[in-house]
Amino acid sequence: EPEVTQTPSHQVTQMGQEVILRCVPISNHLYFYWYRQILGQKVEFLVSFYNNEISEKSEIFDDQFSVERPDGSNFTLKIRSTKLEDSAMYFCASSEYAPVLAGGTYEQYFGPGTRLTVT
Amino acid sequence: QQPVQSPQAVILREGEDAVINCSSSKALYSVHWYRQKHGEAPVFLMILLKGGEQKGHEKISASFNEKKQQSSLYLTASQLSYSGTYFCGTPAPNNLFFGTGTRLTVIP
Repeated sequence: EPEVTQTPSHQVTQMGQEVILRCVPISNHLYFYWYRQILGQKVEFLVSFYNNEISEKSEIFDDQFSVERPDGSNFTLKIRSTKLEDSAMYFCASSEYAPVLAGGTYEQYFGPGTRLTVT
Repeated sequence: QQPVQSPQAVILREGEDAVINCSSSKALYSVHWYRQKHGEAPVFLMILLKGGEQKGHEKISASFNEKKQQSSLYLTASQLSYSGTYFCGTPAPNNLFFGTGTRLTVIP
């Protein structure tokens, strides 16, 4: 069964450094997402991406963050100048359709996540 | 826009039933339900569509209330494997808004 993959599984970085989190979405999916989950808290939407551009972003997704699809398979999240409060689990997800298309019948498939620890 | 879930946590004995609610300030177009086990990614369970149609898990069902501002997830004859945190998700044009989560623990 196809699945979303993410690398690395765990990233430790020092405050102020830049990190790149990588994701390989399911191959026939067109919509890609990044979510964040601080330990013990809810899943928070960061950004959605379609047709090589951001389709929506949350207020969390400020200038510190950027996303890119550098080739036909990878989808990356870059976090510049990391802060202690960026420590969280970052999930990539993909879906075949946009959320409200196809009568809202799509589902998002999540990757296993990257645990980012900023020290 | 973030839906609110209740209860926040529930403990069940194996075989018991549970209901998890997801409330929104606006009428819901559809509701997605996910389960997340500790240290793992959320896993899709099912979708409840505005007409009441459901797509997904065989042993889990859901419904809307009359105004479609609340969805309830029904877990019957719970199994140990049902333990985890349940999130509802309400779709926006380009993303899902996840609810606050309900931690379900099933004990023998």
